[in-house]
Amino acid sequence: GDSVTQMEGPVTLSEEAFLTINCTYTATGYPSLFWYVQYPGEGLQLLLKATKADDKGSNKGFEATYRKETTSFHLEKGSVQVSDSAVYFCALAAYSGAGSYQLTFGKGTKLSVIP
Amino acid sequence: SQTIHQWPATLVQPVGSPLSLECTVEGTSNPNLYWYRQAAGRGLQLLFYSVGIGQISSEVPQNLSASRPQDRQFILSSKKLLLSDSGFYLCALRTSYEQYFGPGTRLTVT
Repeated sequence: GDSVTQMEGPVTLSEEAFLTINCTYTATGYPSLFWYVQYPGEGLQLLLKATKADDKGSNKGFEATYRKETTSFHLEKGSVQVSDSAVYFCALAAYSGAGSYQLTFGKGTKLSVIP
Repeated sequence: SQTIHQWPATLVQPVGSPLSLECTVEGTSNPNLYWYRQAAGRGLQLLFYSVGIGQISSEVPQNLSASRPQDRQFILSSKKLLLSDSGFYLCALRTSYEQYFGPGTRLTVT
């Protein structure tokens, strides 16, 4: 079945540091890929997405590129802020054999940014 | 745009008691709706999804059930809660290629 593997956390960075959170996936067919962010005590918010190979999703200074050849969708940000502290989830979406649409999530990576 | 409401926001229930969590959506019709559970320190687990009124698919066999009595209402229930049912329950809806999540319900079973 489909699966998503993302780097184990927690990740602690100083403000203005460069961020990379690795994400690789296994899927049949051509999934869409997503990054979601969860702030403490809240639900998940869609951060960015990419629907086909070589697409780059971007939002709020975060970027991720859909790499079909390496089955990866790594999240990057050039300069993190304290307000970026949250849990980040990589996910893929695909249609199952029964025709239903399903999201498969990674286990999440907790990011803490210190001033 | 779509809005997802979840009620209650937090809940503390004793083992063996019943459960009813409600999710209602606005701004869309005939949405695909989902229930997820997030246990402490773990990722998201898909519990149920529904493509229409009265249509429920279960992903994980357990003591929980779901119902969809109206187009924009999705209910998660249990007759007898277990300690392992504690967690953060999230309702979600799908539009085209994206899923949007509600604010969640924090359930603690004591």
